[in-house]
Amino acid sequence: QLQLQESGPGLVKPSETLSLSCTVSGGSIISSGYYWGWIRQPPGKGLEWIGSIHNSGGNYRNPSLKSRVSISVDTSKNQFSLRLNFVTATDTAMYYCARQGPGSADAFDIWGQGTVVTVSS
Amino acid sequence: ENVLTQSPGILSLSPGDGATLSCRASQSVSSNYLAWYQQKPGQAPRLLIYGASSRATGIPDRFSGSGSGTDFTLTISRLEPEDFAVYYCQQYHTSPFTFGPGTKVDIK
Repeated sequence: QLQLQESGPGLVKPSETLSLSCTVSGGSIISSGYYWGWIRQPPGKGLEWIGSIHNSGGNYRNPSLKSRVSISVDTSKNQFSLRLNFVTATDTAMYYCARQGPGSADAFDIWGQGTVVTVSS
Repeated sequence: ENVLTQSPGILSLSPGDGATLSCRASQSVSSNYLAWYQQKPGQAPRLLIYGASSRATGIPDRFSGSGSGTDFTLTISRLEPEDFAVYYCQQYHTSPFTFGPGTKVDIK
């Protein structure tokens, strides 16, 4: 069945760029009608949606992060990626990738296991 | 931004009890694009309910969702030991998609 796996550095220095990838296995990222999203969760806190992208490249981002966030798709690698610029300690969180699809009326129905990112010098 | 509020913050119950969790939105959620997720410690969230009342694949029928507009409810008919977790509601119709702060269901 479809699985998602996040990957990337676990430690990022303040003011630098956080870069994560999400690899889709057991299915194709170009499947019709699906969006692919990023959600994060600071330690001990709730969930925050970062942004979502369609395999066509169309995307939307949380306005609170929009100026620092870019999301892209690499269909050749069956991956999508997140870049968050100028990170601070408040960006320390568990980062999840997830799928939104028509089978669940666009709710996030499949999630990766998450990857911890710590922002520290 | 559509702010979601969940109540209660903590629900202390025993296995076999019923649970009623509330989610209230600051603006109407169009087309009932409201979901419920369950999260256990150290795990990713799991989709339980989408479209306010449709169970996701593999979710037991003791979980049910209801509501419309700004008021939504997740009901667990009889708590099993594996149901003790944190539950989040989310609206995913209008950007930014927003989550509620969560309700923790713990063992009494």
